[in-house]
Amino acid sequence: VMTQSPATLSVSPGEGVTLLCRSSQSVGSNLAWYQLKPGQSPRLLIYDASTRASGIPPRFSGGGSGAEFTLTISSLQSEDFAIYYCQQYDKWPMYTFGQGTKLEIK
Amino acid sequence: EVQLAQSGGGLGQPGGSLRVSCTASGFAFDSYNMNWVRQTPGKGLEWISYISASGTTIFYAPSVQGRFTVSRDNGKNSLSLEMNSLTDDDTAIYYCARDRSAIFGRGTALAPWGQGTLVIVSS
Repeated sequence: VMTQSPATLSVSPGEGVTLLCRSSQSVGSNLAWYQLKPGQSPRLLIYDASTRASGIPPRFSGGGSGAEFTLTISSLQSEDFAIYYCQQYDKWPMYTFGQGTKLEIK
Repeated sequence: EVQLAQSGGGLGQPGGSLRVSCTASGFAFDSYNMNWVRQTPGKGLEWISYISASGTTIFYAPSVQGRFTVSRDNGKNSLSLEMNSLTDDDTAIYYCARDRSAIFGRGTALAPWGQGTLVIVSS
């Protein structure tokens, strides 16, 4: 089970934020982060816990291993307000996602 | 450009059937494993099916096992999800998603994703 916290985060543009994702058992570094905006498909941000996907700006960074992971956005831009999901792919093929963290404008 | 274009879905009745399709372009479709993931307001993102590049290995989530069937036609760069015995809980946006890496036997992140197809189950 993947658990994300908080469920909702109200933040002002320009601020930094850290999202948490915890797993009920170790998933090693087999974790990804996705960004989902209304009317769009999920966008891969981070894979292998800390590797930025192609085209992802450096203000996005991932960390952690085992059962606790973070996604940090260093300076929020207007386009970053979205829902963020973590996903474990260690327990292949049964991929599981967290319930999501909604970033909203304060 | 690597793309996944979806079609199908729509309104289905409880106990009925619907089909969602996904057509790939811009990459060697027959080298990549593919997945179906759905999004619901209540549950967020839920992985529901995997099919290997060759089509010989298939997995389903327990929530759809025995009701949904995934298939692919590598000659047509296409992926399909046949959904039978639909229930209200199947109402969701359905996405096809490619394994990020062309490997077999272990998990990877998913990228890219199709644009999503809305399936509504209602009488």
